[in-house]
Order: sequence, then C-alpha cells, then structure tokens
Amino acid sequence: EGQLVESGGGLAQPGGSLRISCEASGFTLGTYGVNWVRQAPGKGLQWIAYISSASRTSEYADSVKGRFTISRDNAQNSVYLQMNSLRAEDTAVYYCATDRAGRILWWWGQGTLVTVSS
Amino acid sequence: EIVLAQSPDTLSLSPGESATLSCRASQSVSNYLAWFQQRPGQPPRLLIYDASLRAPGIPARFNGSGSGTDFTLTISSLEPEDFAVYYCQQRTNGPRHTFGQGTKLEIK
Repeated sequence: EGQLVESGGGLAQPGGSLRISCEASGFTLGTYGVNWVRQAPGKGLQWIAYISSASRTSEYADSVKGRFTISRDNAQNSVYLQMNSLRAEDTAVYYCATDRAGRILWWWGQGTLVTVSS
Repeated sequence: EIVLAQSPDTLSLSPGESATLSCRASQSVSNYLAWFQQRPGQPPRLLIYDASLRAPGIPARFNGSGSGTDFTLTISSLEPEDFAVYYCQQRTNGPRHTFGQGTKLEIK
C-alpha cells in the first residue's frame, strides 16, 4: 500500500529558512496534485499550498504567499516546501496530502513538525 | 472565501450512542464537502467525500448527508476509537481548501 512520508522539519530561527519534503512510496506521486496542510499546536487544520501534477499550477494561502514555495521532482517521487522568512506563527505540524478529482484530500502523510523559535 | 462553521464545538456521549455533527457553509459548496477524523497524534483520516461517499475502509456506521450549505455527519453506535476531533472541509473555487474549526467528540 502506498504512503507519504514527510521529512525535514525541525527548529528554525525567526527570519530563517527550512525546506521540508514529502516522498511517496508504493505509488507514482507524479500523477497527483499535492497539497500542504498545517496544524499549529492545539489548533485546527489550515491549507497552505498546492501544486498540480505537472507543476503548471501552484497556489498559496495568503498567510504564506511570497514566503513559501512549493515544488516537485516527479523523478524523485517527491514534493517540497521551501519556507523562507519564517515567523513564530509558522510553528506547526506540516502534512502533505494528495489531491483527487481536484477537490478531495485523499492520502495524508504522518506530518513533520516545524518549530520557529529563537 | 467560503467559511465552514461546525457545531457543536464539543459533544459528550457514551459508547453505543449515536452522534450527529453539523457543518454549515457560508455559501453553497454543492456536494463538494468532506469529513475527516483526527485522533491525538495522528494525521487526519478521510471518512466521507462528496458529502455522502465513504472513503475506502471506513465502517458503515459513518454516514454523511446534505448539500448546498448544510451538512451532517452521523456516527451510529459509537465505538471507543470514534472519540476524536472531526473536521469538515470543502474546495469549490480553485485549489484553496477550507476547513471547519472542528468538533471534539468526547466520552461522557
């Protein structure tokens, strides 16, 4: 059975950068659009970014636009989120999730924790 | 942006009882609404999509209904593992998904 595995989370300083990854195993990630969804400690879910299967389309939530960049390498079966100018409010568990039929968050990874603190 | 409001915020019930969770959209989302379950320390798990279709492997005690702006998730005969937080979610215009604030289903 296929799965998604996020990695690259950790501690970053305010104003710093971090790149997190989402790698698929057991299926071809390149046939799916992929989203990043985050969850601050004790809070709800927030969608933050999307990339289409062939990278033609990307979209961002207003809260991260201009600071975060989503990209993918289908040869590596992976999607990435480059996070720059990090703020304390970016502290969260970051999940990747595949997009199905253009509207359904179908498969989810286990998440990676990003902590922004000095 | 379409806003989803869930009610109640917390629902206290006993195993074996039935639960009814609501989600109201600020404007019509047709039937493009999903429900997720999230247990502590776990990622969200897709239960229902397109308002009433169960995702693979989801038990038949989970049922979704509604269309337009008003949606309901019903869980019949609650099992101990059903006590969790539930989120509704929609995506209609473009790739931006929005979530409700969540309903915590707790053991009474």
